[in-house]
Amino acid sequence: KNEVEQSPQNLTAQEGEFITINCSYSVGISALHWLQQHPGGGIVSLFMLSSGKKKHGRLIATINIQEKHSSLHITASHPRDSAVYICAVYGYGGSQGNLIFGKGTKLSVKP
Amino acid sequence: DAGVIQSPRHEVTEMGQEVTLRCKPISGHNSLFWYRQTMMRGLELLIYFNNNVPIDDSGMPEDRFSAKMPNASFSTLKIQPSEPRDSAVYFCASSTVSYNEQFFGPGTRLTVL
Repeated sequence: KNEVEQSPQNLTAQEGEFITINCSYSVGISALHWLQQHPGGGIVSLFMLSSGKKKHGRLIATINIQEKHSSLHITASHPRDSAVYICAVYGYGGSQGNLIFGKGTKLSVKP
Repeated sequence: DAGVIQSPRHEVTEMGQEVTLRCKPISGHNSLFWYRQTMMRGLELLIYFNNNVPIDDSGMPEDRFSAKMPNASFSTLKIQPSEPRDSAVYFCASSTVSYNEQFFGPGTRLTVL
């Protein structure tokens, strides 16, 4: 079993829809990253959070440390939101400082 | 700031050749990470440095891979000899310190024929 699981793997939505991407992890963590990878391949950090909720524009990320779960929400989705969204965690133990990645959720927003 | 800079952006080489990938982290960042991304395995950490010192290289596939960071503004990832299974996108990322938000470079797409 992967230490970081994302769902769904693929998601197709119509423009304007509210989107939720989920991330569950099995290790103790100090922080969680949400990353966005565009079709061109570049990776952008969206959020880094260790508790509660963060909001940036139409994007909202939440984390529940007790349940080992995080969600990324996109309100009023737009075709330019089409990308792969990757959840990654900084785990305790093992090597400090390295990220453990989920497999990503491929989002396609249709006009 | 220009962000993390990687070169080359694309590299095509033949099996057995030496390949050197380069990375310039964001100025002032003390942690540097090398990742590899493939369709099969997704993103994987290869090695990371804190203050130019390699901290964890357990992700380096085998002895054919080596990484150096001679100073705070430059790192290299070398593959010698290269093999077709090394074909992937290699990303470099940096952060102020480990456990902080990482900033990724544009990646180097390596194709080994």
